[in-house]
Amino acid sequence: LAKTTQPISMDSYEGQEVNITCSHNNIATNDYITWYQQFPSQGPRFIIQGYKTKVTNEVASLFIPADRKSSTLSLPRVSLSDTAVYYCLVGSTDSWGKLQFGAGTQVVVTP
Amino acid sequence: DSGVTQTPKHLITATGQRVTLRCSPRSGDLSVYWYQQSLDQGLQFLIQYYNGEERAKGNILERFSAQQFPDLHSELNLSSLELGDSALYFCASSVDLSRAEAFFGQGTRLTVV
Repeated sequence: LAKTTQPISMDSYEGQEVNITCSHNNIATNDYITWYQQFPSQGPRFIIQGYKTKVTNEVASLFIPADRKSSTLSLPRVSLSDTAVYYCLVGSTDSWGKLQFGAGTQVVVTP
Repeated sequence: DSGVTQTPKHLITATGQRVTLRCSPRSGDLSVYWYQQSLDQGLQFLIQYYNGEERAKGNILERFSAQQFPDLHSELNLSSLELGDSALYFCASSVDLSRAEAFFGQGTRLTVV
């Protein structure tokens, strides 16, 4: 499984865009990049998944450069309710069974 | 609501005891995962089942065991409990093995005293 590195924490104000970058230098050819969100005392929630370029859904966007050694989760116009821990996971269909969550990034949104 | 149901929500038990945590996956999901989350260890993958069979194993202690039944619900058995086993235990489910989108339950908070 590819190892991932994310910032430990990020602070933001309401209405701003938050970008969290995840490094995964040893990503394999068949690996996908997946992001989860977790609120205190709740189970993680799937946000977005991508393989290359850009993926967007109603919650976030995921930017993946051509070399795929990093990825950036973009949360547009955050609100207080976006305060959570965000996890970057890298793996393939062969390894989803071992969804390995790292330390994640604690995002704190303030008024 | 993720559709994954875990019972009980809270459990307080003494050291040396045995407990069983139960998980009902989302309707139609064949794969079930168990995770342990403690303050100092983060979210640790324990074990995965797919359609009744064990598919992947993480850092699960020998004192812990799990199974998935024909109706696809799963149970995690924790025995000879120690203080360090106090944690949130999450169950997650997914449709199959081809996706990383897993749906997590609300967890069972286990306190060992």
